[in-house]
Amino acid sequence: DGGITQSPKYLFRKEGQNVTLSCEQNLNHDAMYWYRQDPGQGLRLIYYSQIVNDFQKGDIAEGYSVSREKKESFPLTVTSAQKNPTAFYLCACSNPGTRPDTQYFGPGTRLTVL
Amino acid sequence: KQEVTQIPAALSVPEGENLVLNCSFTDSAIYNLQWFRQDPGKGLTSLLLIQSSQREQTSGRLNASLDKSSGRSTLYIAASQPGDSATYLCAVIALIFGKGTTLSVSS
Repeated sequence: DGGITQSPKYLFRKEGQNVTLSCEQNLNHDAMYWYRQDPGQGLRLIYYSQIVNDFQKGDIAEGYSVSREKKESFPLTVTSAQKNPTAFYLCACSNPGTRPDTQYFGPGTRLTVL
Repeated sequence: KQEVTQIPAALSVPEGENLVLNCSFTDSAIYNLQWFRQDPGKGLTSLLLIQSSQREQTSGRLNASLDKSSGRSTLYIAASQPGDSATYLCAVIALIFGKGTTLSVSS
């Protein structure tokens, strides 16, 4: 079945450590996105990529890094520079230029910094 | 900068009631608008997508409308059920989300 997956579902990290969240899709979509969700804050865009080997900063990119070496993969690294990393992270993909350009979301990764 | 607002933040209705969720956006130059449902601790499920050239979309008991000129979209839920209880999010390209409206349907 086609879809978008995220792993792990829950992740714990000690302060000062970097951690990488996985996002994989087999929908052959060009664009992929990372969002952060905090209680009462809705979703905020961290990074997005519209094509392999290219990505752009979203609204809250500081303390995060991404790579897009393959079309199907868009991993997000939460670095020690991110001051408040505890949140629910959602990955999404879409195929811009197609109609309708629906966003598909993964199940999310809940990151907790101890 | 595009801003998306959803009012109210929370809504409680008795089972069977028809209801409307509101979404407003500041920049009418949108590509499309999408309504999502989110259950606690879960990802987002797409409900309806309205392209910029359309005025409404329907799926079962759900109907979403779009008025670009006034910067508004509504999600109409007919004959609400307890299973409809969730947080509903609207989003405009490039996916700037409102904070959501948490709906509770009592049985």
